[in-house]
Parts: sequence; structure tokens; C-alpha cells
Amino acid sequence: GAGVSQTPSNKVTEKGKYVELRCDPISGHTALYWYRQSLGQGPEFLIYFQGTGAADDSGLPNDRFFAVRPEGSVSTLKIQRTERGDSAVYLCASSKDGERTGELFFGEGSRLTVL
Amino acid sequence: AQSVAQPEDQVNVAEGNPLTVKCTYSVSGNPYLFWYVQYPNRGLQFLLKYITGDNLVKGSYGFEAEFNKSQTSFHLKKPSALVSDSALYFCAVRAPNDYKLSFGAGTTVTVRA
Repeated sequence: GAGVSQTPSNKVTEKGKYVELRCDPISGHTALYWYRQSLGQGPEFLIYFQGTGAADDSGLPNDRFFAVRPEGSVSTLKIQRTERGDSAVYLCASSKDGERTGELFFGEGSRLTVL
Repeated sequence: AQSVAQPEDQVNVAEGNPLTVKCTYSVSGNPYLFWYVQYPNRGLQFLLKYITGDNLVKGSYGFEAEFNKSQTSFHLKKPSALVSDSALYFCAVRAPNDYKLSFGAGTTVTVRA
């Protein structure tokens, strides 16, 4: 596709439920990032993939959060036993070849609301 | 660790006046610096970046930014603001030995007609 695509755009769930958020990066981009943006704050780094492997998952807040990218393209962010504090916009971004000088291209985000 | 500070939560200017959005950073080594803009209910859009070379970089929509190493700053500027520039602006930094981009808290810019 032309840009980074994220689904769903909105997700409302109940506390304790399991949630999956999907990201389809720009074709040919090998690097993929997940960020979380809470209201009134800047994006907070969660995890970075280079190809299929998670090169840096230091931003995942706890073991309820997990992300995969099995074929080096689409990625899924998985949240178990959701809590109200998980409510935020989850942003996905991709970049070319993981270049440190390259900019990230962001999707429009998945807004998660945990009731 | 790398970090970004955007000291102003909000900036208000009249259309046609110069616009400046401030950013300071902290990083080990030479920084890679970026500005992004976010319109309501939209994703972040890249404006410009500084990697090396000329301290004044030009980007999209008439924006420019000046890298100042001694002051560890990377302020965003536009000589003549438009109402359509009203948005949320984020500064971001990446260390030369890292892949993740660290963002500031953002500055809301309002340009009044």
C-alpha cells in the first residue's frame, strides 16, 4: 500500500480481555516500530523489529504486552488481560532498512479504550 | 539515555507572523534530530530532519529548523505562519548508535486569522 495501515482504527474492550492490533507497513520497509501515545503526551517507544526479529523490546511495559512479525511484513501487537491504564493510541511506523538516519513513516493509529 | 524537551505546551501566533517552536535534546554522541506534525485524528507526518552538515535544514510546508550544538537545541521555524499550520508538533531525537526515536511531549500551535 501507499502508507502504513493500522487496524482496527478504534477498539473498545472490557478490562481483562485480550486485544490484537495489526500493522501493515509500507512495502519494502524492513524496520517496524510500535509506539503508544497517551492523551497529552508524545509517542512512547514500545518495540522495534528489523525483519522478523524484535531487535529492541525495551519499551514494552510488562509481560502482558507482546508483538510479533512472523514474515517480516505485517506485525501484530498483542495485549493480554487489558487494564484501564492501557487505554491509548497505539502507533505503528516503518522505515527503510532500519537506517538510523531515516525518518519513520507512521500509520494513523489504533485507539484502544479499556472500560 | 536520550530525551527531548519541548518547553512550551502551546504557542499562539497571528497569521503572517513568524512561528517558532522550541526543542532541546539530550543524547550521547552526535544527534539525529527530527520534527513531526500531527493534525487531529491523523498520524504523525514527517517535516524535516538534521543528520549532518548545514545547521539550517529546510523541510515541508515552508518549515525550517536550526541545529545548535552548543545549546543542544533544534528549534522549528516558519517565517510567515498560516492558519492551516495549527496542529501538534513533536520534536524527536535518535542517538547515533540506536534505532529508536524518542519524542518530546509536543507543542500545540494555534495560528489565528
